[in-house]
Amino acid sequence: QVRLQQSGTELVKPGSSLKLSCKASGYTFTDYAMHWVKQRPGQGLEWIGFILPWNGVTGYNQKFKDKATLTVDTSSNTAYMELSRLTSDDSVVYYCARSVGQGVMDAWGQGASVTVSS
Amino acid sequence: DIVLTQSPATLSVTPGESVSLSCRASQGISTSIHWYQQKSNESPRLLIKFASQSISGIPSRFSGSGSGTDFTLSINRVESEDFSVYFCQQSYNLPRTFGGGTKLELK
Repeated sequence: QVRLQQSGTELVKPGSSLKLSCKASGYTFTDYAMHWVKQRPGQGLEWIGFILPWNGVTGYNQKFKDKATLTVDTSSNTAYMELSRLTSDDSVVYYCARSVGQGVMDAWGQGASVTVSS
Repeated sequence: DIVLTQSPATLSVTPGESVSLSCRASQGISTSIHWYQQKSNESPRLLIKFASQSISGIPSRFSGSGSGTDFTLSINRVESEDFSVYFCQQSYNLPRTFGGGTKLELK
């Protein structure tokens, strides 16, 4: 079955960087785009961007263009999101989600909780 | 950016009732709207794609309708497992955007 396994809970210091991972299984990794979504506890969803694993093309929400960098490793079927210059505002849950074509996110990872604290 | 406004923010119902959740887009988006359910401490789950297309494995009591700017998710005879938060999302333009959600709670 389709599975997106995300890296776990992270505790990091303000000003540092962090690279989250999302390992895909159960489908052909290069057939689907991968999206990243941000969610504050008990609040709504915010789209960060997507990457096309077959050619590395990315698309970002302008709001996150200087915060997030999306990459993939097709040899390990893993997508990554690097977050830079972390602040308390980045202390949220991040999801990866795959889509085909138009951006219908039909499978989601379990989420990665990030806490930024000194 | 396309703004999606969901209403109501909270809907209190008893099991067996049928409900309609609304999602309104700030501009016309054809049928490029998708609905997700998110239970507490879980990831979102796709319920309906492209306004009205059903998803394999999703109970038939969930249905969607609408086009342009006004969309509706309907749940026919709510069951206890349906109490959760529902989000709409558009794929008409970048950036992809989500509605603020409707929480379906037990009355």
